[in-house]
Amino acid sequence: AIQLTQSPSSLSASVGDRLTITCRASQGISSALAWYQQKPGKTPKVLIYDATILESGVPSRFSGSGSGTDFTLTISSLQPEDFATYYCQQFNIYPLTFGGGTKVEI
Amino acid sequence: ELRLVESGGGVVQPGGSLRLSCAASGFTFDDYAMHWVRQAPGKALEWVSLISWDGGRTSYADSLRGRFTVSRDNTKNSLYLEMSSLTAEDSAFYYCVKDISSGSYFDFWGQGTLVTVSS
Repeated sequence: AIQLTQSPSSLSASVGDRLTITCRASQGISSALAWYQQKPGKTPKVLIYDATILESGVPSRFSGSGSGTDFTLTISSLQPEDFATYYCQQFNIYPLTFGGGTKVEI
Repeated sequence: ELRLVESGGGVVQPGGSLRLSCAASGFTFDDYAMHWVRQAPGKALEWVSLISWDGGRTSYADSLRGRFTVSRDNTKNSLYLEMSSLTAEDSAFYYCVKDISSGSYFDFWGQGTLVTVSS
């Protein structure tokens, strides 16, 4: 199975910060990657799919880049509602897999 | 309004079995692949299984070692997960999840049902 390694596993940040989370795949997955945001007690919400495409309704401060094995999720200016855990997920090859998550804290 | 409502969770002894159900509404159920995803409290998401729109294709996480079986009944707009030989490592919230189409990423999640494996 393809392994997805996210880094960092957690970070502390402030409102207004620019944030970058990375996701590295154990083998090439083309652009078949999605990013999700999960807040405590809530279910995940898709932010980005196909590595770079912003899901409808998601603020433009979120962006995704990368292809092959290395991907990034960037939040250009962190807002209070962005404090959450972020997961990447690959859908190039079954079994599907998630990264281990990145918790963004104040 | 899209709804996915899971049921069937509970406490089960190690080695036991359990059947989870998911009732779908608010969309054309048999147009979409469906998944089960689990999450132990405080842990990361773990994909469990996929079933295609017609049930003709299924896939499972390697870690399950053939203990789980996914199925669906499109006449009842329902998804199921049969779990057997349960261990403590299977304790988690189990989410019924709608695929964006035919088996890629996820666009809607149920609220989950908690499975606890304990003696």
